Amino acid sequence: GAGVSQTPSNKVTEKGKYVELRCDPISGHTALYWYRQSLGQGPEFLIYFQGTGAADDSGLPNDRFFAVRPEGSVSTLKIQRTERGDSAVYLCASSTTTGAANNEQFFGPGTRLTVL
Amino acid sequence: GDSVTQMEGPVTLSEEAFLTINCTYTATGYPSLFWYVQYPGEGLQLLLKATKADDKGSNKGFEATYRKETTSFHLEKGSVQVSDSAVYFCALRYNQGGKLIFGQGTELSVKP
Repeated sequence: GAGVSQTPSNKVTEKGKYVELRCDPISGHTALYWYRQSLGQGPEFLIYFQGTGAADDSGLPNDRFFAVRPEGSVSTLKIQRTERGDSAVYLCASSTTTGAANNEQFFGPGTRLTVL
Repeated sequence: GDSVTQMEGPVTLSEEAFLTINCTYTATGYPSLFWYVQYPGEGLQLLLKATKADDKGSNKGFEATYRKETTSFHLEKGSVQVSDSAVYFCALRYNQGGKLIFGQGTELSVKP
């Protein structure tokens, strides 16, 4: 079946612009996660959703970052007033639930964001 | 806070050599531990996991044992192949929290 998909695969923008990154989780997965991976580093957690609600947004770096999941499926990560330091690969993952030890997170291919 | 530390890479080995990638963690509770792998041009994939102390996770010839006394989860493989060349990430997760906390990754390069 289809895995997690993310669009666009690459996004180049200018400093100060607004961007939206989209994630389509695996069908039926109720939990959705966003991570950010800088060059040479491991992924860093940003936010996760259980259904439509953000269950934990403790990883969002500041109020320029916001994410929504209005119907409990597709999610959009929104970044306002982009800065060069926002350049990274943004990863999305989904799983069946958040709580159980055996629920694997399946990752998408990521969106590479470059802020010039 | 909780964190994961991996040995620095790159690690370069010849085919059929023995592999160890060290991973240690700091945790306030009792997390599950994971190894993820990122092959060139591909997304992150779960390699193996262990959910409690003394559990051994294994997959594709790779193994790792959850050692609470040394707070470690070292990845091992007896005989690596060129196709194992990838970046390996150690991670922890609390069941209640859901989020994964990753180490910085270790690049492995296997030469024929």
